[in-house]
Amino acid sequence: GENVEQHPSTLSVQEGDSAVIKCTYSDSASNYFPWYKQELGKRPQLIIDIRSNVGEKKDQRIAVTLNKTAKHFSLHITETQPEDSAVYFCAASMNTGFQKLVFGTGTRLLVSP
Amino acid sequence: DVKVTQSSRYLVKRTGEKVFLECVQDMDHENMFWYRQDPGLGLRLIYFSYDVKMKEKGDIPEGYSVSREKKERFSLILESASTNQTSMYLCASITSGMEGYTFGSGTRLTVV
Repeated sequence: GENVEQHPSTLSVQEGDSAVIKCTYSDSASNYFPWYKQELGKRPQLIIDIRSNVGEKKDQRIAVTLNKTAKHFSLHITETQPEDSAVYFCAASMNTGFQKLVFGTGTRLLVSP
Repeated sequence: DVKVTQSSRYLVKRTGEKVFLECVQDMDHENMFWYRQDPGLGLRLIYFSYDVKMKEKGDIPEGYSVSREKKERFSLILESASTNQTSMYLCASITSGMEGYTFGSGTRLTVV
């Protein structure tokens, strides 16, 4: 089955810096890659996603890139703010109709003022 | 807004007890999922269901079972709770055409 690895496990940056979180997946049939943000004590929320027919997608300060050949995808956050502090999860799924996601192990991002 | 409601936010149970975790969604979603979340391990899929009375094992089904008698309700059952099942349990639902899961607020289960 699919396996998703995520790095780093923790990331500390200064406010205004950029942050990059990287994930690799094992199954070349995976074609959907969402990113979730989980603030302390709250449920995970989808923040951005990308499908395998696209190489990059942006939404204001966040972007996701996908390299299908290397089977890795990354989350980029620019001009980080303290409210970006959270745990971020990447995930991957195949278009099986079940929409089953396999998640990475998470990255705790801490943005210091 | 789609709502996914988990019946308990915190639960403390004794070893050997049979435990029921309930999840209800209000938007007629076909697919429902149970994950457990542990520090350093991320979210791991226990079971999922794609229709009433249909269920599929996820990556870590041992010690768990599920029930989906109605489309809106997906129950996770710990047949005989053990201390290694102490965890945060998250329910999620999705329907075709949606872009992401809607998660419940989670149930933090402690088995003593």
